[in-house]
Amino acid sequence: DSGVTQTPKHLITATGQRVTLRCSPRSGDLSVYWYQQSLDQGLQFLIQYYNGEERAKGNILERFSAQQFPDLHSELNLSSLELGDSALYFCASSVVAGGLETQYFGPGTRLLVL
Amino acid sequence: TQLLEQSPQFLSIQEGENLTVYCNSSSVFSSLQWYRQEPGEGPVLLVTVVTGGEVKKLKRLTFQFGDARKDSSLHITAAQPGDTGLYLCAGSDSWGKLQFGAGTQVVVTP
Repeated sequence: DSGVTQTPKHLITATGQRVTLRCSPRSGDLSVYWYQQSLDQGLQFLIQYYNGEERAKGNILERFSAQQFPDLHSELNLSSLELGDSALYFCASSVVAGGLETQYFGPGTRLLVL
Repeated sequence: TQLLEQSPQFLSIQEGENLTVYCNSSSVFSSLQWYRQEPGEGPVLLVTVVTGGEVKKLKRLTFQFGDARKDSSLHITAAQPGDTGLYLCAGSDSWGKLQFGAGTQVVVTP
């Protein structure tokens, strides 16, 4: 158990719909990352938040958005869903020690768009 | 575009055999990490290497970082079924943003 929680574990929805994925980081971790993992693209970095502020952006589509709340939990919003959005979505929180950052991944949310 | 290439993509071996997984890049990274991911779970960090030429051992796993900090290898000695999983390498930039390779799926059969 990494200490990072994600809900829901599974999500099945239809094209065109909107969903929200939730992540609670490890206690004390200020940084949250979102990743998408699909069979053909591997693990892709989407976006990072640090203490409520967007820190870095990766391959995140305009239909996707995220935010980090004052209690440090984060939500990833996916809208106008397409079949190709079906994937595993992971969040990770991180800690820096000795100048090295370690990311701890949650169990993921499996999204299926039909 | 994947900056990190892992090979092979898939590896199936018998228990007790040795295996090596490779991670190559055209970019220099400030550090490189290896993760193992089991079905239905998130990746779990195995090791971080920072210095060119560095070798780290974790029980039966040996990790090597290339002198130029562009490539790395993971060697498993006397593999066991519990070593089965997806092995991912990830290069880190100065912001801590990780660029992952596509992974090597390792299957160790009894």
